Formats: sequence, structure tokens, C-alpha cells
Amino acid sequence: GAVVSQHPSWVICKSGTSVKIECRSLDFQATTMFWYRQFPKKSLMLMATSNEGSKATYEQGVEKDKFLINHASLTLSTLTVTSAHPEDSSFYICSARKEGSKTQYFGPGTRLLVL
Amino acid sequence: AQSVTQLDSHVSVSEGTPVLLRCNYSSSYSPSLFWYVQHPNKGLQLLLKYTSAATLVKGINGFEAEFKKSETSFHLTKPSAHMSDAAEYFCVVTLTGGFKTIFGAGTRLFVKA
Repeated sequence: GAVVSQHPSWVICKSGTSVKIECRSLDFQATTMFWYRQFPKKSLMLMATSNEGSKATYEQGVEKDKFLINHASLTLSTLTVTSAHPEDSSFYICSARKEGSKTQYFGPGTRLLVL
Repeated sequence: AQSVTQLDSHVSVSEGTPVLLRCNYSSSYSPSLFWYVQHPNKGLQLLLKYTSAATLVKGINGFEAEFKKSETSFHLTKPSAHMSDAAEYFCVVTLTGGFKTIFGAGTRLFVKA
């Protein structure tokens, strides 16, 4: 149990376009989902915390208009990278947490390359 | 201030020998502690967790960790390394109350044949 999926697993896009990444909890309801960014050989950097039915809470330095997060249901959160630039190229990982639990279950990640 | 320190950026062991990955934390509150493993270009997989029950926690793939409050440590061990254990390991602390999560910098484990 506690499986989290991400789609797509990798995406290549042109500079200036928008890219949407989906994060789904497959066998549990996730009241909270998290979006992370990971640079090569580095730890995870929390971008935002998303609670179902409410606005996401962004970490300092993360542009909310650049990285749009929607958590429309208890099993789905989406991250949209708007007007992507090459510096947005990275590995994006989501995680999901059940209500009242401290354990995060992570998705497999999405590799984004902006040309 | 709360923090997590993984004392080694990389550890190299021979196959069949013990593994020790060190983690120390600093927290004013009773934390929950986790170890995750990440293989290249993959997400994080939960190895084990401590959430105020038994201080010696057994996880998957033969890993275990012991919570030592007096030493503020949560070191990860395995009696005998396998080639498939080569990966990046993250020690993670989640604080009670606000559930704020803090990640360690990670330890890369190399396993030599």
C-alpha cells in the first residue's frame, strides 16, 4: 500500500511553453501533498505544500505564479511550470501524506528538460 | 533551530561487510525520524521510521536503525551489504505539531565487489 505515481516520468519542452506534472496517490487518500525539486547530487528542496481544496503554501523564494499547484481531489495534485526556461530543468518529486500521519510516500519523480 | 546532519557525504564498503550511515538531529520537540533510499533517477523509497514506539526499528531489505535520544542520533545499519544497496540515503526528521519536515543532505553508499 501507499503507492504514489507521477506522470510523465520525463518531459522535454521548448522554452516559453508550459508543462503540467501529475501526482497521484493510488491506494490512499492524501490530504497533503508536497512538491520537491532536486538538483544533481543534492538533497530535496521543498517547493510547496498542497492541501486538498485549499491554496498551496509556497516556500520562500519559490514563485507561485511560475509554479502553479492544484490539489483538486484527495488523490491528485498537479504542478504546472509556466513559461518554462532552461534553468527550470530539474528533477521534480512529489510526495503524499495521509491525514494525521507523519510519513510521506514519494512518487518516482519527473525529469524536466527545457530546451 | 531544528536540523538534520548526515555525517558522511559518501560511504564505501565491500560487499558482505557491515554498513553504517550516520545521522544526528537537533530538535526541541519529539521528532519522528525516517530513512529513505533513492536509486539513480528514481523517487524516494521508505526504508524505516521511528515514531515514538520501539527505539530499535527494523526496515526493509535488512536495514535497521536505533533511536538514541541521549545522543540525538538515528544511525542506519545493515549487517551485510549487497551490491543492490548502492544508492543515496536520506535521513529525514518530521517535527510534532506542524509536521515540518527536514531533510539531511544525503549519504551516497558505494558497494565494492
